[in-house]
Amino acid sequence: DGGITQSPKYLFRKEGQNVTLSCEQNLNHDAMYWYRQDPGQGLRLIYYSQIVNDFQKGDIAEGYSVSREKKESFPLTVTSAQKNPTAFYLCASSMGRDNYGYTFGSGTRLTVV
Amino acid sequence: GNSVTQMEGPVTLSEEAFLTINCTYTATGYPSLFWYVQYPGEGLQLLLKATKADDKGSNKGFEATYRKETTSFHLEKGSVQVSDSAVYFCALSATMGGGTSYGKLTFGQGTILTVHP
Repeated sequence: DGGITQSPKYLFRKEGQNVTLSCEQNLNHDAMYWYRQDPGQGLRLIYYSQIVNDFQKGDIAEGYSVSREKKESFPLTVTSAQKNPTAFYLCASSMGRDNYGYTFGSGTRLTVV
Repeated sequence: GNSVTQMEGPVTLSEEAFLTINCTYTATGYPSLFWYVQYPGEGLQLLLKATKADDKGSNKGFEATYRKETTSFHLEKGSVQVSDSAVYFCALSATMGGGTSYGKLTFGQGTILTVHP
C-alpha cells in the first residue's frame, strides 16, 4: 500500500546533539512538508519542498535543516541551534495541486534529555 | 494572505449530541477546503473536503458545506460518539495563477473535541 513513513516514532536526544528524522513516501508525490506541533497547539511549518533538489523555509526554520535529494525522501535535521526542540514532528506529502490536500505520516516525538 | 479561523475549544459533549465546529477563511483565488482529524499520538487524517462553492463534503457521518458567500466551512455531525474524541483542523488550499505555493495548505489552530459516555 502507498503511504508516508516516519521513523523513529520516539526519539531521545541529549542537549547539544544533532538528530535526523526520517520521512519516506511511495505515493509519487511531488511536494513534501515538515511541521512541528507542541502540546495543545496547532501546526507550524518548518520547511517544504515542491521538487527534488529545491526547498523553502517555512515559518520556524531556524535551528532546522533539510535535504531533498530524492523524490521519495525528505529528512529533517534538528540541530543543536534549535533551543527548544522537544515536540511532535509531522511530515506530509502532496501532489502539489490545490484540490488534493496532504497525506500525513504518523509523526515522530522528539524529547531532549 | 490566506488564513483560517476555527472556533476556540475545547469542546465537550455527551454521546449522541449534535456537533458543530465553526471554520471561516480568508483567501485570494478560489480555495479548496478540508477538514482533518488527529487522534491522540497520531498524524492527521483527511476527514472530508470540498473544492468549489456549494459543494458538500461528507465522511463517517460528518458533513461540511462550502459557503462562499459567508466564507465558511463549518463541520457538523448529528450524533457524536466517544470514538470521535480528537483534534479537528480546518484547512484551505488556494493559489493565484503561477504562484509558488501551489497546493500548500493553510491550517486553522485546531479544535479539541471530547465526547463523554
